[in-house]
Amino acid sequence: QVQLVESGGGVVQPGGSLRLSCAASGFTFSSYGMHWVRQAPGKGLEWVTFIRYDGSNKYYADSVKGRFTISRDNSKNTLYLQMNSLRTEDTAVYYCAKDQYYAPDYWGQGTLVTVSS
Amino acid sequence: QTVVTQEPSFSVSPGGTVTLTCGLSSGSVSTSYYPSWYHQTPGQAPRTLIYSTNTRSSGVPDRFSGSILGNKAALTITGAQADDESDYYCLLYMGSGNWVFGGGTKLTVL
Repeated sequence: QVQLVESGGGVVQPGGSLRLSCAASGFTFSSYGMHWVRQAPGKGLEWVTFIRYDGSNKYYADSVKGRFTISRDNSKNTLYLQMNSLRTEDTAVYYCAKDQYYAPDYWGQGTLVTVSS
Repeated sequence: QTVVTQEPSFSVSPGGTVTLTCGLSSGSVSTSYYPSWYHQTPGQAPRTLIYSTNTRSSGVPDRFSGSILGNKAALTITGAQADDESDYYCLLYMGSGNWVFGGGTKLTVL
C-alpha cells in the first residue's frame, strides 16, 4: 500500500532554514509527480509546490517562490523541501502527497514546522 | 488573483443528500481545471475523495460523486453519515503549474 512519511519538522527562528523529507513506498516513486501542501494552525489547505516525476519541472506558490526548493532523489524514493528565509507565516503542518491526474491522491501524516523567536 | 470559492458551511440530515460546490471569483470551472475534493477531520491528514472531476479515489464509497454543475465543480454526498462531518476542500489546477485550494466547507450532519 502507498505510504508517505514526512520528517524534518521542528522549531526554527525567523530567517532560519529547515529541510523536510518525505519517504515514499508502495508505488513506483519515479513515475509520479509529487506535491507539498501546508496548513497553518486553524486555517485551510494551501498548495505549496510540485515536482514532475523526473524532476524536470518544479512549480511554486507565489508565497514561497525564491525561498523554498523542492527536489527528489528517485534512487532513494525520497522527496525533499528545502525551506530558507523562513517567516512566522510559514508555521504550518506540511504534507507531502503523490500526484494523480493533476491532484494529490495519497497523503502523508504531515510534519509540523514552527517559525518563532 | 483568482479566488476559489466554497460555501463556508452546510448542514445535512443523516441519510440525506448534499451538494457542495467549488467556483471561481471570475469565470467558470470546467474539466480543464481537473477539480478534486478532499475530506479532513480534526488532527488528521486530508483524504482524497475525487480527482479529475469525477474519479473516486481508491476505497472511496460510491456515496461520493463529483461533477460539473453549471459553472462550478460539485461534490454530492448521498446517504450522509455522522462520520461525513467536518471539512471539505476543493482544489483546482489553474494551469502553468499552479494549483489553488478553496477556503473549505464545514459540513454538519444533524
